[in-house]
Order: sequence, then structure tokens, then C-alpha cells
Amino acid sequence: KNQVEQSPQSLIILEGKNCTLQCNYTVSPFSNLRWYKQDTGRGPVSLTIMTFSENTKSNGRYTATLDADTKQSSLHITASQLSDSASYICVVSIKNQAGTALIFGKGTTLSVSS
Amino acid sequence: DAGVIQSPRHEVTEMGQEVTLRCKPISGHNSLFWYRQTMMRGLELLIYFNNNVPIDDSGMPEDRFSAKMPNASFSTLKIQPSEPRDSAVYFCASNQETGTLSEAFFGQGTRLTVV
Repeated sequence: KNQVEQSPQSLIILEGKNCTLQCNYTVSPFSNLRWYKQDTGRGPVSLTIMTFSENTKSNGRYTATLDADTKQSSLHITASQLSDSASYICVVSIKNQAGTALIFGKGTTLSVSS
Repeated sequence: DAGVIQSPRHEVTEMGQEVTLRCKPISGHNSLFWYRQTMMRGLELLIYFNNNVPIDDSGMPEDRFSAKMPNASFSTLKIQPSEPRDSAVYFCASNQETGTLSEAFFGQGTRLTVV
């Protein structure tokens, strides 16, 4: 069964601190892995997309890593800001003859406090 | 482009009533997805279309749920009859398949409350 598991479920950190969110997946056939940020009351917005051959990708203070052998990914946030408070969702894309579908993790809720 | 447009943004209805959610994908995108999001289960894929054809509807929870895509610029998700456990935020997303790194864009969602 295609699954995406994220940890921790929630996280509280102080402004300025770093944090790392984890994602494990069992998905086949793997196409790519994405990290989305979802602010309260909004739809998810893509942060990074990585293919099988990519190990790391950065988007500003966000850095995602991918280990395709262990089927793990992480999202590292550097020097957190209050605006980073949101849900971060790991999404794995599968692509077959029928088309493409996205398998979502349940997300990690990050709260950044001053 | 205005992005993926969903309507209504909020819907409150009584149990047993029919509910229709609407989605206009980004022009030129050939895939459309319907998702449901709850606190307990996160984002769940309900159904997705490719070139207006339903590809995988295995996520549709019951026969009370149905989705159509009569043309490339419009899709509906219908619940009939609605039940309180259908209360959730329903998202529509679209993308243009251009190889491996196709980007999916989400609408703002429809918050459905069934009382």
C-alpha cells in the first residue's frame, strides 16, 4: 500500500531556532517527492520538488533532502520566523501509464513562537 | 492566471441535502485532483482526472460521492445525500504533466459543514 508517514506530528520552537521534519514513504512507482507548506485556511503551496536522483534541494531557508535507498526525506528550516508557523506536508508522486497521483502525508504542524 | 478556483469557499448544509462543489483548473492543465482534508486523516485523494477522464476513483468513500469533468475547464464533486461525517475541507488541484517535475497547484478549498 502506498503510504507516506511524517514525524513529528507537531512541533513548537522559538523564533530563530532551526528544526528538521521527517518523512518516510513506501510508494511505487516513485516519481518525485515534494514538500508543501499549508498556512491555516489556505491550500498547500509547493516548497521543493526532488526526483529520484536528487539528494538535496534548497528554497531560501528551507532545505529538503532525499535518500531514495532508505525512502526517507527531511525538511530543514533554518533561522525560523513566525511566518513559518504552518503545516508542512510531504507528498510523494507516483506516475504510471494511467497518469500521476499525489500521495500525501498527514503533515507536521509547526508553531514558531517569539 | 488566477490559479485554481473553487466555489463556494464555505458551505453549510443540513444532513440529507445535496451538495455540489465546483472547480475551475488552471488553463492548459490536463490533470485535476479532488482531495478531502480533515484533522484526523489529513489530505486524502478522492479522485483524479487526466484529460477529462476519471483515472482513479478508489478514494471516493461511498456511492454518495460522485465527480464529473465535462470539459477541460470545469469539474464538480457532488455529495448526495450529505452526512455530518462529510464535514471537511475539500481541495481541488490541477497540473500540467510535463515530465517528472510537474507541479500541482491547489485551490483555496471549500469548507463543508453538514449539520
